[in-house]
This record gives sequence, structure tokens and C-alpha cells, in this order.
Amino acid sequence: TAGITQAPTSQILAAGRSMTLRCTQDMRHNAMYWYRQDLGLGLRLIHYSNTAGTTGKGEVPDGYSVSRANTDDFPLTLASAVPSQTSVYFCASSEHPGQGLNQPQHFGDGTRLSIL
Amino acid sequence: DQQVKQNSPSLSVQEGRISILNCDYTNSMFDYFLWYKKYPAEGPTFLISISSIKDKNEDGRFTVFLNKSAKHLSLHIVPSQPGDSAVYFCAARRFISNFGNEKLTFGTGTRLTIIP
Repeated sequence: TAGITQAPTSQILAAGRSMTLRCTQDMRHNAMYWYRQDLGLGLRLIHYSNTAGTTGKGEVPDGYSVSRANTDDFPLTLASAVPSQTSVYFCASSEHPGQGLNQPQHFGDGTRLSIL
Repeated sequence: DQQVKQNSPSLSVQEGRISILNCDYTNSMFDYFLWYKKYPAEGPTFLISISSIKDKNEDGRFTVFLNKSAKHLSLHIVPSQPGDSAVYFCAARRFISNFGNEKLTFGTGTRLTIIP
């Protein structure tokens, strides 16, 4: 089934360690996004990429970095994890955004990350 | 500043009755509004959307109503079924044409429980 694959599904990480969350899509979507979901706060955008080779900052980018070397992959890296980064992380993708809502964002199943 | 608000964290409805989920927003620049449904351990899945120039959109058992003057939208599910039990997120889209990207702002979600 076409879609978005996120790995790992869950992880416990010691504070200060680095970690890369993987995201791969097979829909050839131009745009990709990383969100974090926290209780009482909904989903908040961390970083986005409109097309391969470009990235941009979302609402809560501090402590995270991304890269977009090709269309399919959009990894999210925590260089030095802190407990406040404990969250559920969702990757999403969409066709090239336009003035019409051509296709809504499609989400992966998430990575549950606990920083101790 | 919460631009999209879902003031009811939870809602219980008898099977077969109507479920009404509400959402309020503050930013007049939003051009589309979306509802996503989320089951535990899965990513959000798109349910239905409405353009800011319309006041109603219907898809099967799901209808979304938009009251632009009140900056309020609601999702109606009729009749409610046990499989509708999930967390529902309201999201508002802003398209930024200069950068060719869209930004989704999510509410905090409403947990809907359908009682058999």
C-alpha cells in the first residue's frame, strides 16, 4: 500500500544523545512535513520541505534539523536530545501545494520518542 | 496564541444519533478548513474539508459547516457508528503563495466516543 513509512515506531533515548527519525514516502509528493503532537497542544509543525533540496522552519524548529536530499526521504535529526522533546512525531506529505486544496496532507503512523 | 481551538476535549454520543464537533479560529487568512480523524497508534487521516468561500460541504455521513462571520466550523456525523470513535482534529490552512507552501494549524483535538 502506498504511503508514508516512519521508523522507528518508538524509541527511548538518553538526554544528550542524538537521534534521527526516518520518513520515506512512495507517492512522489513534492512537499513533506514534520510535526510533533503533545497532549493539550495538538500537532505543531517543526520543519517542512516544499521540494527536494529545500527546507524551511515551522513553529517549533529549535533543537531539530532536517534534510531533503531526494523526493522520497525526509529525516528529522535531534542533535542533542532534551526531555522536552519527548513527544509523538508525525511525518506528512502532500502534492505541490497550490491555491486550491489539491490534496490534503497524508500522515505516517508516527514515532513515539521518550527522552530520559 | 491558539489560532484554532477545539474547546471540548471529549464527547460521548449514542450510536445512531448525531455527533457534532466544534472548532473556532481567529485568523481570517485561513483559506481551507480540514477535519482529520485519528485512531490510537496511527497517524491522522483526512476526513473532509471546506473552502472558506463555502458554508457547507457534505460527504456521506459527514457534513462540515462553516460560519465565517463567527469564525466557527462544525463537523456533523449522522448517524454515528462505533467505528467513528476516535480523536478528531480540526485544522486550518493558510497558503503562502510567495513561498509556494501551505501551513496547517491544528486544534487540540476532541475525543469522540460512540456508545453502542
